[in-house]
Amino acid sequence: GQQVMQIPQYQHVQEGEDFTTYCNSSTTLSNIQWYKQRPGGHPVFLIQLVKSGEVKKQKRLTFQFGEAKKNSSLHITATQTTDVGTYFCAGHDYKLSFGAGTTVTVRA
Amino acid sequence: GAGVSQSPSNKVTEKGKDVELRCDPISGHTALYWYRQSLGQGLEFLIYFQGNSAPDKSGLPSDRFSAERTGGSVSTLTIQRTQQEDSAVYLCASSTSSGTTIEQYFGPGTRLTVT
Repeated sequence: GQQVMQIPQYQHVQEGEDFTTYCNSSTTLSNIQWYKQRPGGHPVFLIQLVKSGEVKKQKRLTFQFGEAKKNSSLHITATQTTDVGTYFCAGHDYKLSFGAGTTVTVRA
Repeated sequence: GAGVSQSPSNKVTEKGKDVELRCDPISGHTALYWYRQSLGQGLEFLIYFQGNSAPDKSGLPSDRFSAERTGGSVSTLTIQRTQQEDSAVYLCASSTSSGTTIEQYFGPGTRLTVT
């Protein structure tokens, strides 16, 4: 069955620095979604990517979908304390399958 | 409008007892998912309902777990003979199955503690 893997599992970032989290699927995806879960909260949808090679930006967040539609990345620039949380990617073929998430902590 | 609701928000039960967790999806959403999330861990897929199709039960960890969705709306997740390792937050999510963006809307979860 479809498997979605995310790396790294944990990301400790100095405030103001950039970082990237990666998502890889074992199968070709129709689309990929990213969610953010704040500590104590539930996952909240951030964005969906559909097209091969697609790049979308939300302020300091840049999302990319690979050419083969099997991988994706989330790049955050100038990390802030509000970026703390767990970022999940979710690949969609016949159903949505979530990766294990990247938990981000920020050092002020 | 109303989001996904789950009840109860917290449940403490003794080992060996049965529990039922309820999910009310957003009206009109045909897809419904159940996930389990242990402390500090990712989302563990349990079961997926889509319209009138047979549910995808591939994520249920044992035959003590079952779920149903009545009338294509409310869903109940039942755990029989609960064990301590069942302690976790159980999240429900619903979505449409058509349109450009098919995002999942999560409920607040039910925190289950088995003592």
